[in-house]
Formats: sequence, structure tokens, C-alpha cells
Amino acid sequence: GDSVTQMEGPVTLSEEAFLTINCTYTATGYPSLFWYVQYPGEGLQLLLKATKADDKGSNKGFEATYRKETTSFHLEKGSVQVSDSAVYFCASYAGGTSYGKLTFGQGTILTVHP
Amino acid sequence: DAGVTQSPTHLIKTRGQQVTLRCSPKSGHDTVSWYQQALGQGPQFIFQYYEEEERQRGNFPDRFSGHQFPNYSSELNVNALLLGDSALYLCASSFGGSMETQYFGPGTRLLVL
Repeated sequence: GDSVTQMEGPVTLSEEAFLTINCTYTATGYPSLFWYVQYPGEGLQLLLKATKADDKGSNKGFEATYRKETTSFHLEKGSVQVSDSAVYFCASYAGGTSYGKLTFGQGTILTVHP
Repeated sequence: DAGVTQSPTHLIKTRGQQVTLRCSPKSGHDTVSWYQQALGQGPQFIFQYYEEEERQRGNFPDRFSGHQFPNYSSELNVNALLLGDSALYLCASSFGGSMETQYFGPGTRLLVL
């Protein structure tokens, strides 16, 4: 079945450091890929998405590129802020027999210190 | 533009009881999906409702059931609660023609004692 694997966390960085959170997926066909962010005590917010190979999703300084050859969708940001501290989830949508279902990774906790 | 809303925000129940959670989709959306997020885990898909019918279901027992109303709002019902049902329950809405992009509500945190 479809699955999403995220890098082991948590990740702790200093403000203005470079961020990478790795995400790989398995799916039949070519799913759409998403990054969601969850702030403490809140639900999930869509951060960015990409729907086909080589697409780059971007939002609020975050970027991720859909790499079909490595089945990856790594999240990057050039300079993190304290306000970026949250849990980040990578997700896939394959459609077909999984119509309507998002498949999530286990989440990566990011803590940014001043 | 109102986003996805859920009620209640928190709930405490005891084993064996039944619970009903409610969700109103984002304006313009007609599809509602429910997810269970256990502590420290990613959300797991429970089921999806469209045109008042369950269209897709994840790997959850029949104790989990739902309903969608003509105004597109939805309920999640869980019967015979178990301790393991303690989790954050998330509702997500989307538009039928764009099923993959789902917008989430703040969730209902359920604690089963």
C-alpha cells in the first residue's frame, strides 16, 4: 500500500539556520505530494504541494521539489525563524483505490532557538 | 471566509460510552474526511463523505460511523469507546472536483478514561 516516511526527529536549529526535512514515499503511480504544518494545540495547515514530477511547491520561504527518480519530496527553508517551530507532516494522495485518502508520515518536530 | 470548524474542542468519556463529533466544512466545500491522530503520530484516514454517502473508508472498525447532512456538515460517531480511541480527531474538507487538496479543522481532542 501507499506509505510516507519522514526523517527521524526531532530537529533543533538556531534561528537563521538552513532547514531540511527528508520525506520519501511509496505509491502505485504518481501521487500528489503535500507538506502540512501543525502548531501546538492546533489542526493541520497546508504549507505547500506539488502534483507532478519536477514541480516545486513553495510558500512562506519553504520549498519542496517532487523528485520521481528518488521518490522524494524534501522540505527546505534557507533561514528558519523561532515562529517556524511546529510539527511538519509530509503526505501523499494517490487517488485510484485510495480515492479521497491522504497518507501521512509520522511527523517531524522542529524547534528553533533564538 | 469561514474555515473548517469542529465541535467540541475537548471531550472526556469513559470506556464503553458513545461519542459524537461534529464538523462544518469550509465554505464552498462539499466533501468531508475524518482522520484520527494519536499522540506523536501522523493522522490516519477514517472515512470520507460526499453527497451524504460514505465514499471511502480506512482501516477502522465498524464502531466508527459517520453521517453527512444536506448542508455538507458531518458527524463522526464512535461506539463502545476503548482507551485506545483517545486521540485528536481531525475533520478535513475539500471540493468534489479537487479531492486531493484537503483543508483541516482544529480538531477535537478525545480522552477515554
